[in-house]
Amino acid sequence: DIQMTQSPSTLSASVGDRVTITCRASQSISSWLAWYQQKPGKAPQLLIYKASTLESGVPSRFSGSGSGTEFTLTISSLQPDDFATYYCQQYDSYSTFGQGTKVEIK
Amino acid sequence: EVQLVESGGGLIQPGGSLRLSCAASGFTISNNYMNWVRQAPGKGLEWVSIIYRGGSRYNADSVKGRFTISRDSSKNTLFLQMNSLRAEDTAVYYCARGYGDKGYFDLWGRGTLVTVSS
Repeated sequence: DIQMTQSPSTLSASVGDRVTITCRASQSISSWLAWYQQKPGKAPQLLIYKASTLESGVPSRFSGSGSGTEFTLTISSLQPDDFATYYCQQYDSYSTFGQGTKVEIK
Repeated sequence: EVQLVESGGGLIQPGGSLRLSCAASGFTISNNYMNWVRQAPGKGLEWVSIIYRGGSRYNADSVKGRFTISRDSSKNTLFLQMNSLRAEDTAVYYCARGYGDKGYFDLWGRGTLVTVSS
């Protein structure tokens, strides 16, 4: 089974900050990686798929990069609506989620 | 409107069975990969089960032999039959559509809560 490791688990940041979240796969998954945002009591929402493709309607301040085993999600200028938990997901072999990164207000 | 609506959750005793449903509208479930994902209270997301377009299906190790995913194309509905339930199966269960070449999850339902407790 493919394991996904996200870091950090919690991130404290201010509005306007540049934020980077890292996700590592236990084996190569090519670019079969997605990022999701989840707010309390809500279902996850797709942000990015195929490592770097922005889902329709997602603000351009979100970007993704990487391939193989190392991936990053970057928020270029954190907005109030972005305080949430973020998950990476590999979908190369079935599916596995990272443990999540909670982005908190500093 | 394209959407997924789960139902069937509730309180069940350990060892019991429950069947969850996920009604799809605005698209055909048999043309997509369909999945169940769960989230225990205060915890992260855990993929549970997938059914492919052709009907092949796979489970996570944590539910293998106990949970079965299926679909009824005539009703455009996805199911999750859960047997031998344990306390650690307590979670919100989401159905999610897998889209694209490999099936990233582009559409999610709102979830249904399953509580396993005596």
